[in-house]
Amino acid sequence: QSVLTQPPSASGTPGQRVTISCSGSSSNIAINYVYWYQQLPGTAPKLLIHRDNQRPSGVPDRFSGSKSGTSASLAISGLRSEDEADYYCVTWDDSVTGAVFGGGTQLTVL
Amino acid sequence: EVQLVQSGGGLVKPGGSLRLSCAASGFTFSNAWMNWVRQGPGKRLEWVARIKSHFHGGTTTYAAPVKGRFTISRDDFMKTVYLQMNSLNTEDTAVYYCTTDPYIDALDVWGQGTLVSVSS
Repeated sequence: QSVLTQPPSASGTPGQRVTISCSGSSSNIAINYVYWYQQLPGTAPKLLIHRDNQRPSGVPDRFSGSKSGTSASLAISGLRSEDEADYYCVTWDDSVTGAVFGGGTQLTVL
Repeated sequence: EVQLVQSGGGLVKPGGSLRLSCAASGFTFSNAWMNWVRQGPGKRLEWVARIKSHFHGGTTTYAAPVKGRFTISRDDFMKTVYLQMNSLNTEDTAVYYCTTDPYIDALDVWGQGTLVSVSS
């Protein structure tokens, strides 16, 4: 069981906006940066969002991150078939002195 | 080309040891904080260990399941990070990735992954 809670699955149709949540606690999300990764089948993860809501260069602005209290969210607008992947949130947890991942959300584009 | 190239891994018996290596190129390795992350059969990503840059003290931190058994180290001259894994058990079976920590400059580089399989 993960310290950070994500829905195991999400889905949407092309062009839609989808949001993936990541729920944590006062020792992790509330006080540390949240990062989001996309993992396409058979590949290593790729950074989508850093420091809660910052996009690395090269990441489309269709991807956005937000945080409020002990929860964070990743939003994908203008959904495309190539967005079908697993998405993970990760942050530092001061109570365990280590990084913690969410369980991952498998996004299906219908 | 910015890349991390991993070596090591393979099949080992319970109680055995392995060392993973991860060689960097194309970026300033000495500035990077480095992590090892693993992905077990259930696909969930699990952080394993981190080492900061020497500028930031070279501090090492470990996940609870591996603390006392695994050791992360770095050689900035060789631009390589290592993961020494001792007292391996079946729950350590996973694909292991080395990766840069995005806390520093949002640097996102991953190795190709290497399979560690612990079985009798």
